[in-house]
Amino acid sequence: NAGVTQTPKFQVLKTGQSMTLQCAQDMNHEYMSWYRQDPGMGLRLIHYSVGAGITDQGEVPNGYNVSRSTTEDFPLRLLSAAPSQTSVYFCASTKDFAGVKEQYFGPGTRLTVT
Amino acid sequence: KNEVEQSPQNLTAQEGEFITINCSYSVGISALHWLQQHPGGGIVSLFMLSSGKKKHGRLIATINIQEKHSSLHITASHPRDSAVYICAVLGGGADGLTFGKGTHLIIQP
Repeated sequence: NAGVTQTPKFQVLKTGQSMTLQCAQDMNHEYMSWYRQDPGMGLRLIHYSVGAGITDQGEVPNGYNVSRSTTEDFPLRLLSAAPSQTSVYFCASTKDFAGVKEQYFGPGTRLTVT
Repeated sequence: KNEVEQSPQNLTAQEGEFITINCSYSVGISALHWLQQHPGGGIVSLFMLSSGKKKHGRLIATINIQEKHSSLHITASHPRDSAVYICAVLGGGADGLTFGKGTHLIIQP
């Protein structure tokens, strides 16, 4: 199994540009989530999905969209990038939404918005 | 929302020392995770706890549900243990995990 994969690893955007961060897992996990990690702060939940066709907002959803058309893929879209979205983004998946199973994280995407 | 506090924020120790990292949270939870993030940035799950104690190699994690507190111990620490250790909890009304800010551990040879 490849686990959780994310692309790209690094990205530089100009303010106002849009882009999609890709996330895929091959473990047949129902629950997937996107986090952002900023200096001095813990990881914060952006959006999550409990299964194909179902998504919901987390703690910091503004400026981001997600969709879950398949169990495997959970892309994160930045609609109009802003410097405040400069961060490291992690995708994660787990078998059990209740959180009592191991969490698997992707390698992260380091995004800079100028 | 659950408040997750980790201590210490930074810890430098000598190789071989016994290390303890603490995590406390404000609201009852269903599970607590300890994660490790290496300088390269990748995050790895170390333990998931809902009660008691777990051991994996030189790592030991304990949780006291009544006191809302967990500890991560590293015995015979080694420079390769240098990383950021993150506590995350599920419960307390939040969707998904709530994370602590992490403990930056450096083990000097």
